[in-house]
Amino acid sequence: QSALTQPPSVSGSPGQSVTISCTGTSSDVGSYNRVSWYQQPPGTAPKLMIYEVSNRPSGVPDRFSGSKSGNTASLTISGLQAEDEADYYCSSYTSSSTWVFGGGTKLTVL
Amino acid sequence: EVQLVESGGGLVQPGGSLRLSCAASGFTVSSNYMSWVRQAPGKGLEWVSVIYSGGSTYYADSVKGRFTISRDNSKNTLYLQMNSLRAEDTAVYYCARDLRKYYFDYWGQGTLVTVSS
Repeated sequence: QSALTQPPSVSGSPGQSVTISCTGTSSDVGSYNRVSWYQQPPGTAPKLMIYEVSNRPSGVPDRFSGSKSGNTASLTISGLQAEDEADYYCSSYTSSSTWVFGGGTKLTVL
Repeated sequence: EVQLVESGGGLVQPGGSLRLSCAASGFTVSSNYMSWVRQAPGKGLEWVSVIYSGGSTYYADSVKGRFTISRDNSKNTLYLQMNSLRAEDTAVYYCARDLRKYYFDYWGQGTLVTVSS
């Protein structure tokens, strides 16, 4: 049950786009379209941002988008806003009927 | 309105036990998959355990044999019994709902467990 691999940090200026990668294995990310992404501002509970690789829950801005290729999923945030500054985590269902999270990526809006 | 409210956290000595509760409202716990996810201070999220709607349970290797997930359908409440606690179990523990679609759409506010002598 090794954690999915995410970059520790990314940054961008307001209005720019950033992409956060999430690399797993053929037993998790590569096997299922059951990848989700969560946003966690400091001191708060995680919030679902993307589910099933690329779907947005109601209320999540369309600036947030997701994709997947092979064992790597990605979250792209376009038109960066100051309020997007937070930690982001990917998660995947696994072939062991369990879940695994990524190590998290801290997004800084410059 | 969907709500998840965790309780039961606190300070416990190494080797001790604690039972966490997650009271749910606005939906039926037993009709969904329910997970516990934890976050050590300053660290990332770690999935801990799930109870499927059919009653099957699974655990992360780090807690297998020490933690037990369960639910009380009459109280619409999820539990996590934690035994043989270790310092590395210190974390905020969240319960999370999964509508049987393999992602977590609602999370509680978390309860802090501190394992220390």
